[in-house]
Amino acid sequence: AQSVSQHNHHVILSEAASLELGCNYSYGGTVNLFWYVQYPGQHLQLLLKYFSGDPLVKGIKGFEAEFIKSKFSFNLRKPSVQWSDTAEYFCAVNRNSGAGSYQLTFGKGTKLSVIP
Amino acid sequence: KAGVTQTPRYLIKTRGQQVTLSCSPISGHRSVSWYQQTPGQGLQFLFEYFSETQRNKGNFPGRFSGRQFSNSRSEMNVSTLELGDSALYLCASSPVDSLGTDTQYFGPGTRLTVL
Repeated sequence: AQSVSQHNHHVILSEAASLELGCNYSYGGTVNLFWYVQYPGQHLQLLLKYFSGDPLVKGIKGFEAEFIKSKFSFNLRKPSVQWSDTAEYFCAVNRNSGAGSYQLTFGKGTKLSVIP
Repeated sequence: KAGVTQTPRYLIKTRGQQVTLSCSPISGHRSVSWYQQTPGQGLQFLFEYFSETQRNKGNFPGRFSGRQFSNSRSEMNVSTLELGDSALYLCASSPVDSLGTDTQYFGPGTRLTVL
């Protein structure tokens, strides 16, 4: 069974610091990769996704992620965080069977606290 | 377009009871998936429906069941509730393409508390 690991449970940064959240998955086949964000009191929202093509994908609010196939990784980055980025971030993988079936496997999530 | 809606938003039940949660997908979306979110286990996949058929099922006991109607709306049912079923239940919908590469959009969830 596939699994997703997020390396950090809780990250605390000051505003303007750079962010990198690690995500590794265990599945050797074709995958679709996602980062979702859950702001306090809000529902899960899509930050960015990778299906194919350029392994560096850009999402909303200045976030980007790099897919490194050889490392089974899909790390999330942002050069300068803001207080409003305080949220929980989830990495997710959908095994692409080509049959149009959706079964996301999520990491445990990383809580990001940004100090003004 | 309106987002995924879930009703009710909050629910309190006692052990042994059963519960039905409802989900209305984004208009035009034909796939509906359900997830359970708890502090200990995180987000776990329950099942996915497409065209009124269950296509995928996660590793949950048979007390958890679901269905999808012809208008793509979905319900999930949990029978004989246990304390451990207390969780946020999330519904997600996808427009579905033939390559299986589309994105799931999540609703706000139903917070179920079992006493």
